[in-house]
Amino acid sequence: RKEVEQDPGPFNVPEGATVAFNCTYSNSASQSFFWYRQDCRKEPKLLMSVYSSGNEDGRFTAQLNRASQYISLLIRDSKLSDSATYLCVVNFRDSGYALNFGKGTSLLVTP
Amino acid sequence: GAVVSQHPSWVICKSGTSVKIECRSLDFQATTMFWYRQFPKQSLMLMATSNEGSKATYEQGVEKDKFLINHASLTLSTLTVTSAHPEDSSFYICSASPVPYEQYFGPGTRLTVT
Repeated sequence: RKEVEQDPGPFNVPEGATVAFNCTYSNSASQSFFWYRQDCRKEPKLLMSVYSSGNEDGRFTAQLNRASQYISLLIRDSKLSDSATYLCVVNFRDSGYALNFGKGTSLLVTP
Repeated sequence: GAVVSQHPSWVICKSGTSVKIECRSLDFQATTMFWYRQFPKQSLMLMATSNEGSKATYEQGVEKDKFLINHASLTLSTLTVTSAHPEDSSFYICSASPVPYEQYFGPGTRLTVT
């Protein structure tokens, strides 16, 4: 069964904190990995792709461990505007170009 | 760039009626478009993959005769929910793919069936 699993949270953190989200996927034949951000009642927006070597974009760092089928997202120096739901997204090779979404992890950054 | 629009943004209809939702890629051509559905506090669930000029590919458990998809051009796909019932009330989101693995999402359509 194709699955993308995430801790739903919610994660409540103060401004300036560092927070990490984890995600596991069940299909070893997966080839593309992403983190999306979804605000309440809005469409998902691509936050960053995740590469095997790990990648960083400002305060956001993504890591991929293919052997463990595990993806992570680290947010440093949290801002109030980071409050959203973060979706772990995986493309399974046998799904063509379709994306498989986790249920999302909810983050609330408080003053 | 890479803007996708959906229309309508919300719709309320009576049980038994049909509702058509449009998804347009405004500044690029999309050979492939995807239709998703999202229930409250749930993940996006892929309903079908729509390829321009050919029949849509539906995910397991999605009734193709109930959710009619037409992808008549490289910039437009439509989803028609036929004989809608309250359990079809959901947030319907489309995405358009200009190149493989790259998807841009529309703002979604919130359907409420009374």
